[in-house]
Amino acid sequence: GAVVSQHPSRVICKSGTSVKIECRSLDFQATTMFWYRQFPKQSLMLMATSNEGSKATYEQGVEKDKFLINHASLTLSTLTVTSAHPEDSSFYICSARDGTSGGRIGRDTQYFGPGTRLTVL
Amino acid sequence: QQQVKQSPQSLIVQKGGISIINCAYENTAFDYFPWYQQFPGKGPALLIAIRPDVSEKKEGRFTISFNKSAKQFSLHIMDSQPGDSATYFCAASGYNQGGKLIFGQGTELSVKP
Repeated sequence: GAVVSQHPSRVICKSGTSVKIECRSLDFQATTMFWYRQFPKQSLMLMATSNEGSKATYEQGVEKDKFLINHASLTLSTLTVTSAHPEDSSFYICSARDGTSGGRIGRDTQYFGPGTRLTVL
Repeated sequence: QQQVKQSPQSLIVQKGGISIINCAYENTAFDYFPWYQQFPGKGPALLIAIRPDVSEKKEGRFTISFNKSAKQFSLHIMDSQPGDSATYFCAASGYNQGGKLIFGQGTELSVKP
């Protein structure tokens, strides 16, 4: 397998503040990273797709000015929740994929991070 | 057409039994079908995946059965153990979708000792 890490694992913040979540691929090149949001007892909801060096592509209904995504290197993507409010409280999970041919992991294989629990008071 | 429908929503199996979870899809452009296991408070972990050119793939106690004509695939967990109790998600993606996974709704499996 391959390893994807997320930091922090938990964060509690006050309403109105911004929170940054990091996602790192530790042993492979992540040409594409995905950010998901998951509510209790529900499936994963894709928020956005980011390709290294490009602007992120957001899913319909996701505010790009609120959820800022940066994918500046082949091993790091960040999600910043700006001006967080209680309704942004959720479990945020990233995943990473090496979309190049001949990469260490299969082109379609996607590995997930451990998730970040965000609580906005 | 982008949906992946998963059933059942929840499943209770006795220890040693076989757990079976089913998924169906519509988009014939899908060519990659992974299954993920998720424990509470953790990220999903890749279990096993299959492509449409084979009808079955087995890894340890986990088997994927794939029926291309019916556009269905299923996960079989043999000799189910209490440690298998988790939520399982099927997913699908297509070559021209940039790796984007379409997830099923999830199945909460409980294996009773």
